[in-house]
Amino acid sequence: AQTVTQSQPEMSVQEAETVTLSCTYDTSENNYYLFWYKQPPSRQMILVIRQEAYKQQNATENRFSVNFQKAAKSFSLKISDSQLGDTAMYFCAFRAYGGATNKLIFGTGTLLAVQP
Amino acid sequence: KAGVTQTPRYLIKTRGQQVTLSCSPISGHRSVSWYQQTPGQGLQFLFEYFSETQRNKGNFPGRFSGRQFSNSRSEMNVSTLELGDSALYLCASSFGSGRTNEQFFGPGTRLTVL
Repeated sequence: AQTVTQSQPEMSVQEAETVTLSCTYDTSENNYYLFWYKQPPSRQMILVIRQEAYKQQNATENRFSVNFQKAAKSFSLKISDSQLGDTAMYFCAFRAYGGATNKLIFGTGTLLAVQP
Repeated sequence: KAGVTQTPRYLIKTRGQQVTLSCSPISGHRSVSWYQQTPGQGLQFLFEYFSETQRNKGNFPGRFSGRQFSNSRSEMNVSTLELGDSALYLCASSFGSGRTNEQFFGPGTRLTVL
């Protein structure tokens, strides 16, 4: 069975600085998808960034980028130029490859606070 | 395009009662998944429906059930409520499945069991 671990329950960063959130996972599969989701206080969960395991290139979306280390089963999220609106709970998630299911396996989350 | 909607947004029930939660996916989406979010257990997968068929189920007791209608709207039902069922219930919809398939989450239904 797959598991996702986020070892940082809470983090804090100053506005405009860079922060990295950690995520490790365990799977015996070779192909899969990894995601970072953001859940702002009392607001809907939204997708921040996605990585397909068969792609070696790290995914990037504007100020968000990942460091995907497949051999180490590590998938960290880097947020550059942090903004107050980045304050949220961040979840790392795993999804099996292929079209049989959309089931996501989530980590326990990291609560990020961006300080002015 | 309207997002995923969930009704009701808040619900208070007592132990032993049953509850039905509703999820309307984004227009054109055929897949709906349900998750339970609690402070202690985090986000846990309940079940997934695609074109009215349940194609995956999480490790929850039989008191938790769901269904999907022909218009892709989905309902989940919890019978004989327990205090531990208090949670935020999220649903997520997607067009189908596959490598580029993105799931969109609704705002959730906050269930409190007294």
